[in-house]
Amino acid sequence: DSGVTQTPKHLITATGQRVTLRCSPRSGDLSVYWYQQSLDQGLQFLIQYYNGEERAKGNILERFSAQQFPDLHSELNLSSLELGDSALYFCASSVRGQGGDNEQFFGPGTRLTVL
Amino acid sequence: DQQVKQNSPSLSVQEGRISILNCDYTNSMFDYFLWYKKYPAEGPTFLISISSIKDKNEDGRFTVFLNKSAKHLSLHIVPSQPGDSAVYFCAASVDDYGKLTFGQGTILTVHP
Repeated sequence: DSGVTQTPKHLITATGQRVTLRCSPRSGDLSVYWYQQSLDQGLQFLIQYYNGEERAKGNILERFSAQQFPDLHSELNLSSLELGDSALYFCASSVRGQGGDNEQFFGPGTRLTVL
Repeated sequence: DQQVKQNSPSLSVQEGRISILNCDYTNSMFDYFLWYKKYPAEGPTFLISISSIKDKNEDGRFTVFLNKSAKHLSLHIVPSQPGDSAVYFCAASVDDYGKLTFGQGTILTVHP
C-alpha cells in the first residue's frame, strides 16, 4: 500500500459526459501528479500540483482540468468525454515538487471506460 | 518522440538467475532515474532510483547501473524470484521538474 488513495476504482460513462477523479496523497506529501495510461501510449504525464498551485503541465487536453485543495487532495475533471479517453488514470504524490531524490508514490488508479 | 525507451517488451528468466532489464534515453537533461514495478490492476510501485552523479545504486536484490555517456541504464535483479514477475518501467526526470517520463515497460516472467 503506497498510502495514495484514488476514487472511484472503476468508472463507466458515455461520450459527452463529465467525470471527476479524486486523489488523496500520502500524509505529508505536498505534490500531486496525474498520469494517464492508455493501451498504446504507456504512462503519460498530465499535470502536477504543488501545495495547491499548478507546477507543470504535460500533454493534457483542454477538456481536462485539475486542482489541488487546501487539504492537499486533488481532483481531475474530464469533460466532453470521447471514446479515446478510456484509460487508466493514476495519481502519484511526493514530498517535494522538484529535485532529485523525489520518488513518486502511485495510487491504485481509476479505470475509466467511455462507451 | 519517445525520450525513454525500453526496447525489450518481454524477458523470461529462470528462478535464481539474474534478470537484466535495460533502458535507453535520449534527453541529456535527464538527471534522475527510477525503476517501477507494476502488477495488473495496481499502480506502479517504486523500486530503486539513481542520480546522475552516481553510476550504481544497490538495494537488496536490486541494483541499478547508469552509463551516462551511453545514455543507458539497467536494472539487475539477483536472484530472481517468481514474485518478481511483473511489468517493469524505467522513468526519468529533469532535476528542476517533478514530472516523470516513462518507458513503455518490459514484462518480466520468472519461471520456478
